[in-house]
Amino acid sequence: SQQGEEDPQALSIQEGENATMNCSYKTSINNLQWYRQNSGRGLVHLILIRSNEREKHSGRLRVTLDTSKKSSSLLITASRAADTASYFCATDAGGTSYGKLTFGQGTILTVHP
Amino acid sequence: GAVVSQHPSRVICKSGTSVKIECRSLDFQATTMFWYRQFPKKSLMLMATSNEGSKATYEQGVEKDKFLINHASLTLSTLTVTSAHPEDSSFYICSAMTPRPDRGHTDTQYFGPGTRLTVL
Repeated sequence: SQQGEEDPQALSIQEGENATMNCSYKTSINNLQWYRQNSGRGLVHLILIRSNEREKHSGRLRVTLDTSKKSSSLLITASRAADTASYFCATDAGGTSYGKLTFGQGTILTVHP
Repeated sequence: GAVVSQHPSRVICKSGTSVKIECRSLDFQATTMFWYRQFPKKSLMLMATSNEGSKATYEQGVEKDKFLINHASLTLSTLTVTSAHPEDSSFYICSAMTPRPDRGHTDTQYFGPGTRLTVL
């Protein structure tokens, strides 16, 4: 079943502002990952958070995970025009589905200079 | 970081022909690779898992005779779209997990740049 719903579907902000994207999922997970995709390109892995972790940082990125609510958020601080892209969350259920990612619908982020 | 390449990056073919897409892990060996499909402005959907030395496992609803997958070596998986039709037009992306001796994988997947298939 499709899972990994993200909101907002589109987000438009000014350079320097923070951008927050949310992701919800339906089943138990081993880990949750965030990816970035520029138009017509492949995916770039941003950050992975495991089910026993609650928060993780990487540079200007901050990811939180709430397994009780089956949700995650990605915060990009001090956004730049170069951050303009689509952002996807993806869950890995582990077990026999290990490595098989279920992607959310994505958030299109536009950062205006 | 680990690099995954795909070839070709873009292909246009006539309806009824077959198209082969290659996915290579350039600096690591990948016993498992995954093939995804993405429609315009949509999310990625897993099509199949490619296992080196064994048959691929397909997700529900994916025709195995339509999308042939071969994982001939630890660095190469191929997806062949047979008798392509316009509805097969899509963006196909592969991914691979980097191996780690103690756990088999690092959980992180590296994606190829994708192949845009257009069937006329």
